[in-house]
Amino acid sequence: AQSVTQLGSHVSVSEGALVLLRCNYSSSVPPYLFWYVQYPNQGLQLLLKYTSAATLVKGINGFEAEFKKSETSFHLTKPSAHMSDAAEYFCAVSSTGRRALTFGSGTRLQVQP
Amino acid sequence: KAGVTQTPRYLIKTRGQQVTLSCSPISGHRSVSWYQQTPGQGLQFLFEYFSETQRNKGNFPGRFSGRQFSNSRSEMNVSTLELGDSALYLCASSSGTREATDTQYFGPGTRLTVL
Repeated sequence: AQSVTQLGSHVSVSEGALVLLRCNYSSSVPPYLFWYVQYPNQGLQLLLKYTSAATLVKGINGFEAEFKKSETSFHLTKPSAHMSDAAEYFCAVSSTGRRALTFGSGTRLQVQP
Repeated sequence: KAGVTQTPRYLIKTRGQQVTLSCSPISGHRSVSWYQQTPGQGLQFLFEYFSETQRNKGNFPGRFSGRQFSNSRSEMNVSTLELGDSALYLCASSSGTREATDTQYFGPGTRLTVL
């Protein structure tokens, strides 16, 4: 079985501040990890994914995440928040042989001017 | 390339009715997955189709079913609707070449309201 836990259902940062969204995974097999973003009334858009090629993964819109096996974590960061980053962010995991994604509960990011 | 399209975008039904949702994947993609999104349960995997065959199924009752056509378009059906079926239903397509690491591209969803 596999699962992901996102710490903090709501995160608020000031524009220009560091964004840190936390994701911890549990998997009995090597995991593949994803971060998706969802804007209001829209579907999900992939920000980045870890597929075991490199532990530091760079994604779109300045986001990156680091896979840390010892901590079972895959936290999402962005050095400087923009107002347009306000959205809901989901961490997800899949494993070998299955395309199905298991999602975390999501973190709503609010960016204050 | 056109993205994933889902029709209809909004739907209102009453308890006991059935509903069919449609998904057209990105051209060339052979895998279509369906997810249910609710405030209480979050995002949950329903099922995945690849080359007209169901490959994986989530933990949902048999009232939820789907199919995929030879052109990769997919439909999902929910019979005997219950109030708890009110949700955003998301379809995702992927190329189907790398299973677990395939990028899934999501459509805008169909918002189903059951009264």
